[in-house]
Amino acid sequence: GQQLNQSPQSMFIQEGEDVSMNCTSSSIFNTWLWYKQDPGEGPVLLIALYKAGELTSNGRLTAQFGITRKDSFLNISASIPSDVGIYFCAGQLYTPKSTFGDGTTLTVKP
Amino acid sequence: ETGVTQTPRHLVMGMTNKKSLKCEQHLGHNAMYWYKQSAKKPLELMFVYNFKEQTENNSVPSRFSPECPNSSHLFLHLHTLQPEDSALYLCASSQVSGGHYEQYFGPGTRLTVT
Repeated sequence: GQQLNQSPQSMFIQEGEDVSMNCTSSSIFNTWLWYKQDPGEGPVLLIALYKAGELTSNGRLTAQFGITRKDSFLNISASIPSDVGIYFCAGQLYTPKSTFGDGTTLTVKP
Repeated sequence: ETGVTQTPRHLVMGMTNKKSLKCEQHLGHNAMYWYKQSAKKPLELMFVYNFKEQTENNSVPSRFSPECPNSSHLFLHLHTLQPEDSALYLCASSQVSGGHYEQYFGPGTRLTVT
């Protein structure tokens, strides 16, 4: 089956720094989704991407759908303490069966 | 209520108990999902309902029994569970449209099987 490699597994950064994380798949997707999950809560959809090469922003968050359709990137600019959480990528190929990455745990030090 | 709601938020049950998890979506979506999230593992899709019809059963043991009476409500009936079934159970919904499925999640039910 499809596999998603999400990296890094964890990040420890200083408030105000920029963050980058990515997901790489063994096969192509037609949709990439990025989620954030706080402890004890469900994942919250941050950004949805539908076309190869697409670059989409949501406030300080920017995500890109890789040209090869096998990868996606999420950047967070000027991090703040409330950015702490686990970030997941998910890929779909014309099916609601999303394949999820293992998550990137972000810690922001004030 | 907005978005996707789940009740109860926490549940402790013995292996011989029968309980049900409830999910309700207020987004006008036509597909609903059950996921299992265990520690140190990616989210695992359990069931998919599309217009109230089950379209996916991801090799889930029969001790988990889903029910979707309409496109807004989804249940997960639990019986004779095992301790390894302890996990966060997440409900999600999406619109089925054009090959893209933006899934919106509820807050989850934290299940502990003793």
